[in-house]
Amino acid sequence: DTAVSQTPKYLVTQMGNDKSIKCEQNLGHDTMYWYKQDSKKFLKIMFSYNNKELIINETVPNRFSPKSPDKAHLNLHINSLELGDSAVYFCASSQVAGSGPQHFGDGTRLSIL
Amino acid sequence: RKEVEQDPGPFNVPEGATVAFNCTYSNSASQSFFWYRQDCRKEPKLLMSVYSSGNEDGRFTAQLNRASQYISLLIRDSKLSDSATYLCVVNNNNDMRFGAGTRLTVKP
Repeated sequence: DTAVSQTPKYLVTQMGNDKSIKCEQNLGHDTMYWYKQDSKKFLKIMFSYNNKELIINETVPNRFSPKSPDKAHLNLHINSLELGDSAVYFCASSQVAGSGPQHFGDGTRLSIL
Repeated sequence: RKEVEQDPGPFNVPEGATVAFNCTYSNSASQSFFWYRQDCRKEPKLLMSVYSSGNEDGRFTAQLNRASQYISLLIRDSKLSDSATYLCVVNNNNDMRFGAGTRLTVKP
């Protein structure tokens, strides 16, 4: 029944490693997003995909690479993890790009040791 | 100037109180507006959309003033379960911008 699901829920890893977070939505939405929420709780958009095409790419280090194999999935791969990458990463989806409400996944809590 | 600004609070109010949150946004071309609620260690969830004519959903009333680029949320008869962070969200052309949130604690 889960509308937007992310895995894993928790990710603890060492600096320099490469990791991926997966996201899937079963709402039939066309648009998916990745957000980062840091320790100050500020939610910032990272990427947005509409029907598998990248439409928003904020100023994010190129160590972060999103991949959308189909419109129901948007995965996030992070290379060479750094201490500053520690945060909660939320995936979200919406029916129409930007104009409608977004549905969020539970979040992935990434901790870099 | 931040794109979406909110008073971070915290607002500590007794049960039954009325509390109002304000939000201002910088982009006059913004097209749609929302209030989200985020509980501690949880994902943001849509509380309500905000329309120019103002809209109400039970104890919650949202207002939009496009001329002043200002959005408000009023909560009447606060409940303990209203304790959360309230996020003001502004959309401009496929791009949703979140405020930093206003923290509300309702006490018995």
